[in-house]
Amino acid sequence: DAKTTQPNSMESNEEEPVHLPCNHSTISGTDYIHWYRQLPSQGPEYVIHGLTSNVNNRMASLAIAEDRKSSTLILHRATLRDAAVYYCILQNTGTASKLTFGTGTRLQVTL
Amino acid sequence: EPEVTQTPSHQVTQMGQEVILRCVPISNHLYFYWYRQILGQKVEFLVSFYNNEISEKSEIFDDQFSVERPDGSNFTLKIRSTKLEDSAMYFCASRNFKGSTGELFFGEGSRLTVL
Repeated sequence: DAKTTQPNSMESNEEEPVHLPCNHSTISGTDYIHWYRQLPSQGPEYVIHGLTSNVNNRMASLAIAEDRKSSTLILHRATLRDAAVYYCILQNTGTASKLTFGTGTRLQVTL
Repeated sequence: EPEVTQTPSHQVTQMGQEVILRCVPISNHLYFYWYRQILGQKVEFLVSFYNNEISEKSEIFDDQFSVERPDGSNFTLKIRSTKLEDSAMYFCASRNFKGSTGELFFGEGSRLTVL
């Protein structure tokens, strides 16, 4: 699986936007970019995914660089409930369907 | 909203005992997974299961582990003879598409403590 690099931790104030970066310089043309998060004492939870174009859903937005070597998960207004570990994961369409989790970015949200 | 359910939420067992962790995946899903997370560490893939057989397994998933889908609804993980290092949170997951377009749904996990 192609590797991703994320900062270990980030902090944000409540009600402010958060931009969580992910580098994936060895991404292949058939790798999708997935984001999951894990709230304290819970299982991982899907956030968003994309291939080339930017994506929006009710939880977040995903901005993908033109060369696809990096992406950014955007939480438009962070709340205390968004405090979690966020994982950026590449998954190839042609291979087995498992997800390989890295260490992710621990997001702290403060009042 | 459909969800993956796991039982028990917490199990304490003695080293060497057999443990069965149970999962009920989302009903129309076809692909099933077990992951584990040792306290403070990464979420690690154990095994994937499709069409009543294992499709992929990790190095962690040795002969002490087995999976089964006995009745078309439950998906179980058995550890034959537990070791101290098996203490972890075990997550079941399911999806209805194999490829990258399918969201993976996780359960809340079963915490296994081996004494």
